Amino acid sequence: AQSVSQHNHHVILSEAASLELGCNYSYGGTVNLFWYVQYPGQHLQLLLKYFSGDPLVKGIKGFEAEFIKSKFSFNLRKPSVQWSDTAEYFCAVTDTSGTYKYIFGTGTRLKVLA
Amino acid sequence: DVKVTQSSRYLVKRTGEKVFLECVQDMDHENMFWYRQDPGLGLRLIYFSYDVKMKEKGDIPEGYSVSREKKERFSLILESASTNQTSMYLCASSLLWVVGKNEQFFGPGTRLTVL
Repeated sequence: AQSVSQHNHHVILSEAASLELGCNYSYGGTVNLFWYVQYPGQHLQLLLKYFSGDPLVKGIKGFEAEFIKSKFSFNLRKPSVQWSDTAEYFCAVTDTSGTYKYIFGTGTRLKVLA
Repeated sequence: DVKVTQSSRYLVKRTGEKVFLECVQDMDHENMFWYRQDPGLGLRLIYFSYDVKMKEKGDIPEGYSVSREKKERFSLILESASTNQTSMYLCASSLLWVVGKNEQFFGPGTRLTVL
């Protein structure tokens, strides 16, 4: 069965620090990968997505993620975080077979100190 | 912009009550989903639907049912609410399958408390 692991459950950083959140998935076929963000009191929204092509994907608000197929990973990065990046981040995967199911990781709570 | 709305932001119900959670999307999406979100557990899929009157069980369907009579509306039903169903419930929708465009769009969530 598909699964998604997010290794960091809670991360605390100071403003301007660099961020990397880990995401690993288990699935042998072709996948589509997503990072979603949930700001306090707001609904989940898409940060970025990978479908095919360039494995380095750029999203909104300066975030990027790199798909490394050999490592089954899709880590999220940002070179310099801001206080407004405080949120919960979810990695998700869906296969391309048309099952319509998305598998989410358990989330990483990021707190950025001003 | 896609908009997914949920009928209530907060609900308080008593054990044994029948509870209806409504979700409406305005972008003609074929797929609709119900998740529950609990701290430390992420999002867990309860049910999804890829067409009117079609439904598929997700990972935790026990104690829940769904209804999709119209394409834009997907209802989650708790037949007899129990305290362990206290949670945040999220509705989402997506296109059926369009390469590069099948991300999910989420509603604001309904925080349900069962006393």
